[in-house]
Amino acid sequence: GNSVTQMEGPVTLSEEAFLTINCTYTATGYPSLFWYVQYPGEGLQLLLKATKADDKGSNKGFEATYRKETTSFHLEKGSVQVSDSAVYFCALSANQAGTALIFGKGTTLSVSS
Amino acid sequence: GAVVSQHPSRVICKSGTSVKIECRSLDFQATTMFWYRQFPKQSLMLMATSNEGSKATYEQGVEKDKFLINHASLTLSTLTVTSAHPEDSSFYICSARAFQGLGDEQFFGPGTRLTVL
Repeated sequence: GNSVTQMEGPVTLSEEAFLTINCTYTATGYPSLFWYVQYPGEGLQLLLKATKADDKGSNKGFEATYRKETTSFHLEKGSVQVSDSAVYFCALSANQAGTALIFGKGTTLSVSS
Repeated sequence: GAVVSQHPSRVICKSGTSVKIECRSLDFQATTMFWYRQFPKQSLMLMATSNEGSKATYEQGVEKDKFLINHASLTLSTLTVTSAHPEDSSFYICSARAFQGLGDEQFFGPGTRLTVL
């Protein structure tokens, strides 16, 4: 079946450090891929997405490229800020009507000044 | 953008009582709504898929008689936790998939934190 695996956290960085959170997936067909962010005490917000191979999603300085050959969708940011501290979830959608997102376990990012 | 609301945001109830959580798509019609459960420091686990006008489809291990889902319209789905017990305490999150015009994106509500005493 479809699944998402993302790196275990927590990830602890200093402000302005480079961030990578690894995400790999297993899926049949051609899924869409997503990164969601959850700030403390809040619901999930879509951070970025990619719907086909080689697409790059980007938002708020974060980027992720849909790599079909390596079945990966790693999240990167060149210079993190304290306000980026949150839990990040990688997810996939099988692109079939009525199917739910499948989430990875989440990676907690903590950025200190 | 598309907005999904949940009500209440927090609820505390006594063991044995029932709690209803509402999920509304405010500015779009949702053909499908999903209910997730999130335990502290863990990922979202899909509980059930709800299609307007039909019975919900529950994931394996989720008791349909305990977690009653009603999707009465294209903008409203409700989750009722019946005879709640402390182990039902969790963060419940709904999401809605748009009928048209918004691609295949799911839009998430802010979640409802249920505490059963």
